[in-house]
Amino acid sequence: QVQLQESGPGLVKPSQTLSLTCTVSGGSISSGDYYWSWIRQPPGKGLEWIGYIYYSGSTYYNPSLKSRVTISVDTSKNQFSLKLSSVTAADTAVYYCARLYIVVVPAAIGEAIFDYWGQGTLVTVSS
Amino acid sequence: QSVLTQPPSVSAAPGQKVTISCSGSSSNIGNNYVSWYQQLPGTAPKLLIYDNNKRPSGIPDRFSGSKSGTSATLGITGLQTGDEADYYCGTWDSSLSGVVFGGGTKLTVL
Repeated sequence: QVQLQESGPGLVKPSQTLSLTCTVSGGSISSGDYYWSWIRQPPGKGLEWIGYIYYSGSTYYNPSLKSRVTISVDTSKNQFSLKLSSVTAADTAVYYCARLYIVVVPAAIGEAIFDYWGQGTLVTVSS
Repeated sequence: QSVLTQPPSVSAAPGQKVTISCSGSSSNIGNNYVSWYQQLPGTAPKLLIYDNNKRPSGIPDRFSGSKSGTSATLGITGLQTGDEADYYCGTWDSSLSGVVFGGGTKLTVL
């Protein structure tokens, strides 16, 4: 059974960089069949996809956050990480890491399935 | 404003059936598979339905999914109080080149 666990500071000051790590257990991040993703949920609001990474280091980001987001992977530790720069109060949210099965091919039916999620970690942006 | 449109809330009595709609466009639901997620209070979302109508192992057949054109529907029969949760639809959006979610629907079992 794959398990994911987020870790990182729960409080970040405005204009600083939010940094979180997701540790994967019960399966290898290098398995090749899956991507590894970050999703966030502001308090009382819906889900927002942030981006994903493949074990090789290939990344894909939400266009609305792309200028501020960096996702990286450390296969030796079975971890992947999120950095979000220049944060404001609007970035206050519960941040989830998740395993993603995604197939997107031109002229074919695409699918994006988040099958395993971490428990989430609340990050508050405040001075 | 979410790319996919869901009703903010639905309600029904225990034992009854309820449906939750998810409306999109040709760039998302119309040409891609839809997934549904259940988020119980204070917990992480959980995959409920994938590829429009398939259930992961362990999900009871009280939960079903369907898709027609640019809309998808989640159905839940034999409602239980434990089904009270927020439900989200999600899919790939070819125009936005990203994963999109609905705004979520809060299910109340009266």
